[in-house]
Amino acid sequence: AQKVTQAQTEISVVEKEDVTLDCVYETRDTTYYLFWYKQPPSGELVFLIRRNSFDEQNEISGRYSWNFQKSTSSFNFTITASQVVDSAVYFCALSNRDDKIIFGKGTRLHILP
Amino acid sequence: EAGVTQSPTHLIKTRGQQATLRCSPISGHTSVYWYQQALGLGLQFLLWYDEGEERNRGNFPPRFSGRQFPNYSSELNVNALELEDSALYLCASSPSGGKYEKLFFGSGTQLSVL
Repeated sequence: AQKVTQAQTEISVVEKEDVTLDCVYETRDTTYYLFWYKQPPSGELVFLIRRNSFDEQNEISGRYSWNFQKSTSSFNFTITASQVVDSAVYFCALSNRDDKIIFGKGTRLHILP
Repeated sequence: EAGVTQSPTHLIKTRGQQATLRCSPISGHTSVYWYQQALGLGLQFLLWYDEGEERNRGNFPPRFSGRQFPNYSSELNVNALELEDSALYLCASSPSGGKYEKLFFGSGTQLSVL
């Protein structure tokens, strides 16, 4: 069975601090994709990143970075120098051959001014 | 370019009634996904349509059904509404049936069952 676990339900940090959102996944497949989405208060999920199972290179995009480690089945997301606009719910998701994309329960991030 | 649009934004029904939710994908997208987002449960996969066909469904009872029209828009129907059906229903589209593609989401329909 496939599963995505985001153990952190809610996190609060002060602006400019770094914060890491954890994501642990389970799948029996060797080919799969992992995603992160951001859901601001407006409700519309916004795609952040997609990573396939054969590419373990970490990625950096501005203040965002992602650490993919197959050995620990984790795909963690770090925001550096957080800003109030980063406040949102963040979802990690997994897609494999089961023809559906499974989401974690999300982590609500509060950036305090 | 217009994004994924969902209607209505809010819907209030009473227990036992039927609800119909609508979704228009981004132009050129053939795949439509439906998710239920209940409080504290994250996004639960409901249905996936591609090229007019139902490709997969999640672990929901048969009273959750839908269809995809020739123009790729989609409808989600929920019959015999129950209180626990109250949730945000999100629609997403992708360019093709590839399950590895990123999804483009609408803002959702907030369904309240009284």
